[in-house]
Amino acid sequence: SQQGEEDPQALSIQEGENATMNCSYKTSINNLQWYRQNSGRGLVHLILIRSNEREKHSGRLRVTLDTSKKSSSLLITASRAADTASYFCATAPGYSTLTFGKGTMLLVSP
Amino acid sequence: DTEVTQTPKHLVMGMTNKKSLKCEQHMGHRAMYWYKQKAKKPPELMFVYSYEKLSINESVPSRFSPECPNSSLLNLHLHALQPEDSALYLCASSQGYLGRMNTEAFFGQGTRLTVV
Repeated sequence: SQQGEEDPQALSIQEGENATMNCSYKTSINNLQWYRQNSGRGLVHLILIRSNEREKHSGRLRVTLDTSKKSSSLLITASRAADTASYFCATAPGYSTLTFGKGTMLLVSP
Repeated sequence: DTEVTQTPKHLVMGMTNKKSLKCEQHMGHRAMYWYKQKAKKPPELMFVYSYEKLSINESVPSRFSPECPNSSLLNLHLHALQPEDSALYLCASSQGYLGRMNTEAFFGQGTRLTVV
């Protein structure tokens, strides 16, 4: 069963613009993770935020977590064409598995 | 070495064939996973192995048979598949349990399976 729901499902922006994706989840979590997937390839881990953290940065990525609203956002600043990919949030509702949201397809045009 | 290697990259098989997907990691990870991903959908968990023992089977049909010969290898044996089983099969590994240990999963590039 799916735990996370991303919003929007698809996002199209120009290079240099910022991209914001949102994720909502249903049950309590220990952490929330974001992954990127290029066109039918494997998933690449981007960032992990623990349930006791509210914000985390990694390079051009900024992730926020609001456990009271069961939601998270991923901000990619100064986007590049190479950022074109699908982005998934994932939670570990139990202690052993990752459950992925539906994903946001991001298209960054030059 | 932070790679998870999956072979083959592509596989076409008939409904009466038997084939195997292979996954290998040398990061010393003790948890390994099989996920199935259909086009434009998120990955869905199939199996979890912990310390070479099957710990989770997400009600996967018996035509999919996982095997963990040792701590570095994970196989998925396929038999009598249906066309609707065509998908990207992803292997992943992690240092420990993903929720409890706040650790990330490392994914292979996947095997694109087509059942004809």
